[in-house]
Amino acid sequence: SQQGEEDPQALSIQEGENATMNCSYKTSINNLQWYRQNSGRGLVHLILIRSNEREKHSGRLRVTLDTSKKSSSLLITASRAADTASYFCATARFYRLTFGEGTQLTVNP
Amino acid sequence: SQTIHQWPATLVQPVGSPLSLECTVEGTSNPNLYWYRQAAGRGLQLLFYSVGIGQISSEVPQNLSASRPQDRQFILSSKKLLLSDSGFYLCAWSVERRGDGYTFGSGTRLTVV
Repeated sequence: SQQGEEDPQALSIQEGENATMNCSYKTSINNLQWYRQNSGRGLVHLILIRSNEREKHSGRLRVTLDTSKKSSSLLITASRAADTASYFCATARFYRLTFGEGTQLTVNP
Repeated sequence: SQTIHQWPATLVQPVGSPLSLECTVEGTSNPNLYWYRQAAGRGLQLLFYSVGIGQISSEVPQNLSASRPQDRQFILSSKKLLLSDSGFYLCAWSVERRGDGYTFGSGTRLTVV
């Protein structure tokens, strides 16, 4: 079963704008991860935030985690056309990584 | 460096035929191994995971089975494919016991006709 739910399901922005995607989950977790999938391809790991962390940065990515609300957000700053992809949050609990349904991001040049 | 190999990239199989998808990992030992399936436009569904040779945990009862004959080899099988088995199958591995930093293979797109 899917634990995470992403919001919005689809997002279309102009190049240079920021993109924010949200993820909610239901049970306690060890960490939360974000992945990117280009059309028809495998998944690429973007960033991992542990349950005792509140914010993490990696290049143009910023992830926040609020365990009290069981939610996370992924911010992509200064978006580029190459950022067009599906983005998935995934919650890790012991050996299992459970994915949400994803957000389809389209960055228009 | 660690790499993961998954093949074939695409596969078209008739209903009732057998299936064998193979995944191998290089550059690490005793990885946790996973099989996921993705329906079109959807998220990933965990099918099986393995924390050691011969140790398989099934997440979803279905027409598929998995085996781990060697430390870095994970095989997904079916004796008789159903139309509903069509999808994008992804193999993944992680090292840390808590599932940190999964690495995914490039996937196999299976169409059952």
